[in-house]
Amino acid sequence: SAVISQKPSRDICQRGTSLTIQCQVDSQVTMMFWYRQQPGQSLTLIATANQGSEATYESGFVIDKFPISRPNLTFSTLTVSNMSPEDSSIYLCSVEEISGSDFGPGTRLTVL
Amino acid sequence: DAKTTQPPSMDCAEGRAANLPCNHSTISGNEYVYWYRQIHSQGPQYIIHGLKNNETNEMASLIITEDRKSSTLILPHATLRDTAVYYCIVRVARGTSGSRLTFGEGTQLTVNP
Repeated sequence: SAVISQKPSRDICQRGTSLTIQCQVDSQVTMMFWYRQQPGQSLTLIATANQGSEATYESGFVIDKFPISRPNLTFSTLTVSNMSPEDSSIYLCSVEEISGSDFGPGTRLTVL
Repeated sequence: DAKTTQPPSMDCAEGRAANLPCNHSTISGNEYVYWYRQIHSQGPQYIIHGLKNNETNEMASLIITEDRKSSTLILPHATLRDTAVYYCIVRVARGTSGSRLTFGEGTQLTVNP
């Protein structure tokens, strides 16, 4: 299985600011996924990031709010823009393996 | 993706088998049944998946009914470290158009000493 790291592991931010979350994988992968997990809730897919193309966003998520970069096959970033307290969540990146998906440890974001 | 239904919570005694049910009555012929779990404050962990045959690995067994409308995840000897939220997900094969993980609410399994 892939080893996935995320930075930062947690952060506390002021409303109106932006935070960029990094996801690093120890192997080359075609597709990377970004999820959000709001407090006490299940995971929701934000977008799929393919290297060399625009990310594909799920219903309810837009590029202006959650811009994503995918510069190579082992790295991706998700930016949470113009944050509000409603953005307080755990953000996770994920990659697909032959058997199942592997997830990073998550970034716990608190917006004040 | 097909919707799944799971009980919100279950309890199990340590050392006993934990049997977690999942209903997926609208599953399509090309959709697989996947199970993940999420231990508190960690990312989800893949457990097992299957199409129509029963599957077993070092973590668990997956029993899928003949009509594929339901399945059961079995942890044969539950330990305290198996306490987690367990998600049953149906999806088409990886790499297929529309292949994505759609998480429901899952089952909170609590293993008691």
